[in-house]
Amino acid sequence: AQSVTQLGSHVSVSEGALVLLRCNYSSSVPPYLFWYVQYPNQGLQLLLKYTSAATLVKGINGFEAEFKKSETSFHLTKPSAHMSDAAEYFCAVRNTNAGKSTFGDGTTLTVKP
Amino acid sequence: DTAVSQTPKYLVTQMGNDKSIKCEQNLGHDTMYWYKQDSKKFLKIMFSYNNKELIINETVPNRFSPKSPDKAHLNLHINSLELGDSAVYFCASSQESTNYGYTFGSGTRLTVV
Repeated sequence: AQSVTQLGSHVSVSEGALVLLRCNYSSSVPPYLFWYVQYPNQGLQLLLKYTSAATLVKGINGFEAEFKKSETSFHLTKPSAHMSDAAEYFCAVRNTNAGKSTFGDGTTLTVKP
Repeated sequence: DTAVSQTPKYLVTQMGNDKSIKCEQNLGHDTMYWYKQDSKKFLKIMFSYNNKELIINETVPNRFSPKSPDKAHLNLHINSLELGDSAVYFCASSQESTNYGYTFGSGTRLTVV
């Protein structure tokens, strides 16, 4: 079985501030983990993924995430928020034998000027 | 050059009608999916095909029927539409065993009136 929990359905930061979006997963086998971003009225776009190589994963648009097995976490960070980062962010988990990714409920990121 | 394209982008129809949504990917991926995103932005998998073979069929009403004529196409047909079917439907593709990250289409917003 696999599941993912995103802590905080809404996160608001000021422009230039640190972005931290939290994701905890549950998986019966070593998982693959993903972060996706969805801008209004668009499909989801893959930001980054963890597939058992380096635990610190760098993605597009300056985002990165760290896989911490002991904490079953895969939190997404960005050092300095831009207005253009305002969007919905989804964490997803995939077991190699699952045939599908399971998505979290999403976190809405608001960036204040 | 669109990687995963869905048509139509918007679909407004009356209850009881039958409608289809088409999806095509030009990435050479071997697996395609249909996800449903409800008004709260929750994403739930509906179906998955790998090389034209149905591999995932979640708890979805029988009124929903996917069809994959080849591995580049996955269509979704919905019979006897109900108000509760109103949602955004996303098609996605991935290459299994090498890259589990999804490429999503831009979505089809279905409104049943």
